[in-house]
Amino acid sequence: SAVISQKPSRDICQRGTSLTIQCQVDSQVTMMFWYRQQPGQSLTLIATANQGSEATYESGFVIDKFPISRPNLTFSTLTVSNMSPEDSSIYLCSVKKGSGANVLTFGAGSRLTVL
Amino acid sequence: GQQVMQIPQYQHVQEGEDFTTYCNSSTTLSNIQWYKQRPGGHPVFLIQLVKSGEVKKQKRLTFQFGEAKKNSSLHITATQTTDVGTYFCAGFSGGGADGLTFGKGTHLIIQP
Repeated sequence: SAVISQKPSRDICQRGTSLTIQCQVDSQVTMMFWYRQQPGQSLTLIATANQGSEATYESGFVIDKFPISRPNLTFSTLTVSNMSPEDSSIYLCSVKKGSGANVLTFGAGSRLTVL
Repeated sequence: GQQVMQIPQYQHVQEGEDFTTYCNSSTTLSNIQWYKQRPGGHPVFLIQLVKSGEVKKQKRLTFQFGEAKKNSSLHITATQTTDVGTYFCAGFSGGGADGLTFGKGTHLIIQP
């Protein structure tokens, strides 16, 4: 399975600032996703990071708040913009390796605390 | 849209006791997946069930997929402290971006 490096692993941020999370995969992958997991809660899909085109966002998530880049098949970034305490959460990058695969491999996550 | 309900939300057991978590989908699934998340960790894939009535075992863990492909269970025999964590089921229907709908998870707490 793919090995995912995600950084930062954790950060404490001030209200109103923005933070970019990076996700690097050790091999080319078909699909990359960004999830949010609030403390003690389940996983919510934010968006699919599309290589070379705009990300596809799920209901309740918008590009202005969560801009995503995916310049190639091994790398993606998620920015959390104009943060508020409600954005305090774990953000997880995940991938599916092949076109027929439907099993997810997750990165270690980025734990953000917004003060 | 598809909903996946998972119960119980929390389960406290004494070490050595058995543990079961149940997952029910509002729609028929193509397959169901189970993930484990250790405290402070990230979800890790455990297994995927595809066939109606399928049963798979991994050491002390037994996974079942219902005949109607709408429910599933994970049973752990004789729990150990290493089993602590949150167990998520995720139903795959083939729709949507990732095709998966995650349950809310069952937090397993083990008392030595």
